[in-house]
Amino acid sequence: EDKVVQSPLSLVVHEGDTVTLNCSYEVTNFRSLLWYKQEKKAPTFLFMLTSSGIEKKSGRLSSILDKKELFSILNITATQTGDSAVYLCAPYNNNDMRFGAGTRLTVKP
Amino acid sequence: ETGVTQSPTHLIKTRGQQVTLRCSSQSGHNTVSWYQQALGQGPQFIFQYYREEENGRGNFPPRFSGLQFPNYSSELNVNALELDDSALYLCASSLVTKSGYTEAFFGQGTRLTVV
Repeated sequence: EDKVVQSPLSLVVHEGDTVTLNCSYEVTNFRSLLWYKQEKKAPTFLFMLTSSGIEKKSGRLSSILDKKELFSILNITATQTGDSAVYLCAPYNNNDMRFGAGTRLTVKP
Repeated sequence: ETGVTQSPTHLIKTRGQQVTLRCSSQSGHNTVSWYQQALGQGPQFIFQYYREEENGRGNFPPRFSGLQFPNYSSELNVNALELDDSALYLCASSLVTKSGYTEAFFGQGTRLTVV
């Protein structure tokens, strides 16, 4: 059975801290892994990772995939209060995304 | 703004009733997936429609059904509503071609409450 585990489940930091969110997966027919940020309702797209070892960056956010060890990490540097959200990872197989439970990040001023 | 719109935004139904939720996909996208998100959990895959045909289904009973129209918009129908169906329902659109696929963009969701 497919499994997606995100850790930690929740995290409280102060502005300026750096955080690392983890996602491990066991998914049949794996094709890629996506990261989303969910603040209120709609998850917003952050990254899609297809190849192992290639870091993707967008501003203070970066992510990398390890297809051999079956995990991905999402890094956020110099956190801001606007980064407070639930971060979801979703391995994508042939036709659907299998979401983890998410990591709830709270950034305090 | 993702260009994916869902309606209605909120809905209250009574147990045993039927409900239809709607989703307009982003322009140029041909695939719509539906997800159910219970409080405190990640979205769970219900099914996907590609070019008007069901293209994969998660672990949901047959009373969850769907449609995709020629303009690639989609409906999710749930019959015989149960209290546990109360959740946020999300649709996501993407473009799938023979050579690959794009990331999926989500609508704002429909919050369904069954009483």
